[in-house]
Amino acid sequence: DTGVSQDPRHKITKRGQNVTFRCDPISEHNRLYWYRQTLGQGPEFLTYFQNEAQLEKSRLLSDRFSAERPKGSFSTLEIQRTEQGDSAMYLCASSIDLSGTERINEQFFGPGTRLTVL
Amino acid sequence: KQEVTQIPAALSVPEGENLVLNCSFTDSAIYNLQWFRQDPGKGLTSLLLIQSSQREQTSGRLNASLDKSSGRSTLYIAASQPGDSATYLCAVRDNYGQNFVFGPGTRLSVLP
Repeated sequence: DTGVSQDPRHKITKRGQNVTFRCDPISEHNRLYWYRQTLGQGPEFLTYFQNEAQLEKSRLLSDRFSAERPKGSFSTLEIQRTEQGDSAMYLCASSIDLSGTERINEQFFGPGTRLTVL
Repeated sequence: KQEVTQIPAALSVPEGENLVLNCSFTDSAIYNLQWFRQDPGKGLTSLLLIQSSQREQTSGRLNASLDKSSGRSTLYIAASQPGDSATYLCAVRDNYGQNFVFGPGTRLSVLP
């Protein structure tokens, strides 16, 4: 399977605990995005990497959230001191920005990690 | 700030009907627009990508059009099938960065 994968698929935690999610993009994709989606809403952009550089962060990404992509391949999203309002689906997507391809910047999404904070 | 809306919020049609889903955006300076399908509790599946220089894209029974000047895109689904039942989302990337803005989606039910 060469699609975007995310781990874990589901996470239940108690308020105040830290959680970490992992995303493995499509192997040749140099761009990686994190989104958050709550029930009945479209995904909201959190942050984006080009290779290992984090180039853009949403104001939704409070200081309790941190994302890394240390080698330009997989990425992790950590939430510290979780709150009940953090309960959501966390989606990862990847894309390629090489010019000359018809599908430039087409985003491909993983299955998501559903977080429940009790 | 880019805002994306989708009309209708929900749609129920009998099998075989042709239908149109609408997406509107407030800032016409977009880089591209992408349509997705999302099944309950799942991730998003890319359907069609339209670059800002294009006016439409087609894939099978799906056709998406883009009118940047009026800030609109439509997704046309021909001969709908029960398997088309899902939420359809549009997303816009503007010229100012990599921030993709999503609409809230249209929840489609195709009845057998």
